[in-house]
Amino acid sequence: NAGVTQTPKFRVLKTGQSMTLLCAQDMNHEYMYWYRQDPGMGLRLIHYSVGEGTTAKGEVPDGYNVSRLKKQNFLLGLESAAPSQTSVYFCASSSTSGGFYNEQFFGPGTRLTVL
Amino acid sequence: AQSVAQPEDQVNVAEGNPLTVKCTYSVSGNPYLFWYVQYPNRGLQFLLKYITGDNLVKGSYGFEAEFNKSQTSFHLKKPSALVSDSALYFCAVRQPYTDKLIFGTGTRLQVFP
Repeated sequence: NAGVTQTPKFRVLKTGQSMTLLCAQDMNHEYMYWYRQDPGMGLRLIHYSVGEGTTAKGEVPDGYNVSRLKKQNFLLGLESAAPSQTSVYFCASSSTSGGFYNEQFFGPGTRLTVL
Repeated sequence: AQSVAQPEDQVNVAEGNPLTVKCTYSVSGNPYLFWYVQYPNRGLQFLLKYITGDNLVKGSYGFEAEFNKSQTSFHLKKPSALVSDSALYFCAVRQPYTDKLIFGTGTRLQVFP
């Protein structure tokens, strides 16, 4: 049981380049999330998904797109990277069994630098 | 608007001493509160949560948290700190009627030998 995994662990991009971050979970969780972590700002929600084929915007969605074609995978895309997107990106998942009380499980993170 | 505040950027404590990491919240309705810990270069790990019931919640690694409705606080505590407790701690509150969490800005705990 690997939990939540993220690919890649590190990436350096040039301004204007595109990339996709992959998140996978093997816990059969319905909900998945993408956050970014910046110093002094905690974690901010970018996009989330409440089930296969569904996505919704979070607090800071501009410049990002997501897709959830399979229940276990949640992809985060940057179409044209900007230096302001330099951050550590975390994926998380949670179960809905029992209501909205369940903790989220986090992946190890992807450190992205945009030059 | 829903929010979480962690008033201390850093907390320093000597090993063996009790520790407290503070968290206050603002949310409409009943609060669902969480504490997470982040070790260097790792993702967040769940420590404990308050949903309802006893105001003192026990969690992983000997941590506990006290829910205080009148003071809208959910402070994290441990009776005897370990050097290995040194990490970044996040408080979070569930947005009402959603599965989304609002995180505080984090408190760095440094435990000195």
